[in-house]
Amino acid sequence: QKEVEQNSGPLSVPEGAIASLNCTYSDRVSQSFFWYRQYSGKSPELIMSIYSNGDKEDGRFTAQLNKASQYVSLLIRDSQPSDSATYLCAVNMANTGFQKLVFGTGTRLLVSP
Amino acid sequence: DTAVSQTPKYLVTQMGNDKSIKCEQNLGHDTMYWYKQDSKKFLKIMFSYNNKELIINETVPNRFSPKSPDKAHLNLHINSLELGDSAVYFCASSPTGRGGNQPQHFGDGTRLSIL
Repeated sequence: QKEVEQNSGPLSVPEGAIASLNCTYSDRVSQSFFWYRQYSGKSPELIMSIYSNGDKEDGRFTAQLNKASQYVSLLIRDSQPSDSATYLCAVNMANTGFQKLVFGTGTRLLVSP
Repeated sequence: DTAVSQTPKYLVTQMGNDKSIKCEQNLGHDTMYWYKQDSKKFLKIMFSYNNKELIINETVPNRFSPKSPDKAHLNLHINSLELGDSAVYFCASSPTGRGGNQPQHFGDGTRLSIL
């Protein structure tokens, strides 16, 4: 079993729709979770972090975390063509006091005008 | 003002050669990282350093040797390059490596191609 799993996509949504990206992870003791956006040929860019169960909203983005189900998701409301990118889920799986991010393979999102 | 800068941006070289990639951050962060992103876009941690001290070394062949002369710099030297080393190498930094809630800032990447 992969440590962090994501559907590779592509996930295609029309402009203005809600895009829902999902991620599951294997380590039950993980406490912090991140969503990075990566445009083609560019570096990953942090867009959301979440540490507690429930929802966390930032503008058009909402991260959702369910530690019991080992599931984290990212909702993008009012999707725009500029949101087309690969979204990487990252989970801190350190067993020391230092951070060690394990990334999923990413979900490619395509937003059509 | 680039926060995390890597040089070179592109590196094309022959199998068997030795090459280095440099990384510098001007964010005042304590912790720096090297990641490898392969052709399938899978991003994997290789090393992390906290204030010049090696913290993470992820089953990377010993042909790869990181060096951190100070906390603002983390370089990566690769000996005897192999075809499988072709990838994009990203440097990143975070305020501190301690605790899980540290946002990591990535450099623009170095695209290494082995001929």
